[in-house]
Amino acid sequence: GAGVSQTPSNKVTEKGKYVELRCDPISGHTALYWYRQSLGQGPEFLIYFQGTGAADDSGLPNDRFFAVRPEGSVSTLKIQRTERGDSAVYLCASSLDSGGKTQYFGPGTRLLVL
Amino acid sequence: QKEVEQNSGPLSVPEGAIASLNCTYSDRGSQSFFWYRQYSGKSPELIMFIYSNGDKEDGRFTAQLNKASQYVSLLIRDSQPSDSATYLCAVKNTDSWGKLQFGAGTQVVVTP
Repeated sequence: GAGVSQTPSNKVTEKGKYVELRCDPISGHTALYWYRQSLGQGPEFLIYFQGTGAADDSGLPNDRFFAVRPEGSVSTLKIQRTERGDSAVYLCASSLDSGGKTQYFGPGTRLLVL
Repeated sequence: QKEVEQNSGPLSVPEGAIASLNCTYSDRGSQSFFWYRQYSGKSPELIMFIYSNGDKEDGRFTAQLNKASQYVSLLIRDSQPSDSATYLCAVKNTDSWGKLQFGAGTQVVVTP
């Protein structure tokens, strides 16, 4: 079956611009997670959703970052006033539920802020 | 202080040998432990998870957990060149059902 998909695969933007990153989880998975990964580092947790609600957003670095999942399926991570330090690979994962042992990762969106 | 620590490597392993990867964690409340493999330019994929003290085997992979020492390891037997990747240790705590905390990963290079 189809795995987690993310669009775009690459995004280049200029400092100060707004970007949206999209994640389409595996069908039927109620839990969805966002991580970001910088070069040479492990993924860093940002936020996770159980259904439509954000169950834990403790990893969002500041108020420039926001994520939604209005219908409990597709999620969008929104970054306002991008900074060069936001450059990273943004990974989305989903699992059957939040207690699910296996988080399945998408291919990621590589964001470069110039 | 990082909550999940791994040696960055690279760990060079001859083909057919055993690769031994180590991971320590700081939160005694950690309950679930995961090993992910990540090929260069790709996303992480789960290899194994372990919850209980002791060993858990799956094919050529064995995970070992010692909660008293806050230590989890991964052994890869009969290493193959296709095992060359970065191996990420991840920990889930009881205070957050979904959140995984990852180490920085250990790069493994299997040489023919």
